[in-house]
Amino acid sequence: DIVMTQSPDSLAVSLGERATINCKSSQTVLYSSNNKDCLAWYQQKPGQPPKLLIYWASTRESGVPDRFSGSGSGTEFTLTISSLQAEDVAVYYCQQHYSIPLTFGGGTKVEIK
Amino acid sequence: QVQLKQSGPGLVKPSQTLSLTCAISGDSVSSNSVTWNWIRQSPSRGLEWLGRTYYRSKWTNDYAVSVKSRITINSDTSKNQFSLQLTSVTPEDTAVYYCSRSSVGRSDYWGQGTLVTVSS
Repeated sequence: DIVMTQSPDSLAVSLGERATINCKSSQTVLYSSNNKDCLAWYQQKPGQPPKLLIYWASTRESGVPDRFSGSGSGTEFTLTISSLQAEDVAVYYCQQHYSIPLTFGGGTKVEIK
Repeated sequence: QVQLKQSGPGLVKPSQTLSLTCAISGDSVSSNSVTWNWIRQSPSRGLEWLGRTYYRSKWTNDYAVSVKSRITINSDTSKNQFSLQLTSVTPEDTAVYYCSRSSVGRSDYWGQGTLVTVSS
């Protein structure tokens, strides 16, 4: 199984400041057929299911604000919130969609400083 | 707009079978471009993918090794839904269970979640 490791476990950021979340996979998730990394990011608020933000490591899902961006390749990836808004308080998860079993990171809790 | 609506009991006794259903609207369980998943979430195990079903000229199921001996995912084309059965449950199976639709592995639509507690 591919193990997904996120850091930090939590972070507190001032409104309008940048938040950066890291995710590392235990092996490459590069899909050779399209040369894209099979890495997704989700946002989860209390009492709600996860919401897809980013897939193929950097493709924003329709309707997701452009302050959310994904980057990285191979085994190291980053989710950046360029200017934190109050509604961004949530837990964020990475997930590899390269192979079965699909696996998730442990989550990063983002709060307002 | 795709919607997934989960149903099933929130309390199951130890050693019994957990059964949940996910009713699909806005898509077809027989779609040949997506897969239909069950995922659970608990404080101790985080988000855990349990298995999936999908149709590509024939039906195929994939299951997580951790539950492979206890899990069955079925599809019902007449009702456009799919279901989860998990046998011989223990308190370790207490979790919020989600169904989801996946396109190339990423889950773009999720059910509302069902908290299932295993307790006598």
